[in-house]
Amino acid sequence: DTGVSQDPRHKITKRGQNVTFRCDPISEHNRLYWYRQTLGQGPEFLTYFQNEAQLEKSRLLSDRFSAERPKGSFSTLEIQRTEQGDSAMYLCASSFGEDTQYFGPGTRLTVL
Amino acid sequence: GENVEQHPSTLSVQEGDSAVIKCTYSDSASNYFPWYKQELGKRPQLIIDIRSNVGEKKDQRIAVTLNKTAKHFSLHITETQPEDSAVYFCAVNSGGYGNNRLAFGKGNQVVVIP
Repeated sequence: DTGVSQDPRHKITKRGQNVTFRCDPISEHNRLYWYRQTLGQGPEFLTYFQNEAQLEKSRLLSDRFSAERPKGSFSTLEIQRTEQGDSAMYLCASSFGEDTQYFGPGTRLTVL
Repeated sequence: GENVEQHPSTLSVQEGDSAVIKCTYSDSASNYFPWYKQELGKRPQLIIDIRSNVGEKKDQRIAVTLNKTAKHFSLHITETQPEDSAVYFCAVNSGGYGNNRLAFGKGNQVVVIP
């Protein structure tokens, strides 16, 4: 499968714990995006990378969220001190430049 | 930030009829307009997109029309089939030229009645 992959697919955690998600983009894609989707809503932009540089971060993104793409390939998204409001589907997408963004299957986070 | 609205929120059509979903946006600098289809529990998948240098694009039963002056674009599905039942999201790029950050609408639930 040469599409975007994400791991894990599901994560259940207790409030206050830290979680980390991984995204592997399509291999030749230089841009990688993170979005969050809650029930009944469209995906909401969180941050994006061009190669290893984080070019933009949403103003809505709490300081508890951090993302990295150290070698310009896979990316990780970490949420520290999780809160119940963080429960959502976290989607990763990748593109080559301004071309089509292809989404991964998402990581569903449930914070108890 | 960018404001993207979709109407109607839910649309039911008889199999074989056409479906039209309209999307309005606020950022006049936006120049890329994709439509994504999302089935329950699955990832969003691009079905068609258009850039601001064209007014219409068609791919088999799917078409998109763009009115940049009025800041709206529409998805047209002809000869609807049960497998067209899904949530459809419009999106626009925001943040200026060369930025591909997407702002999404809340989605339209399309139900095709056999």
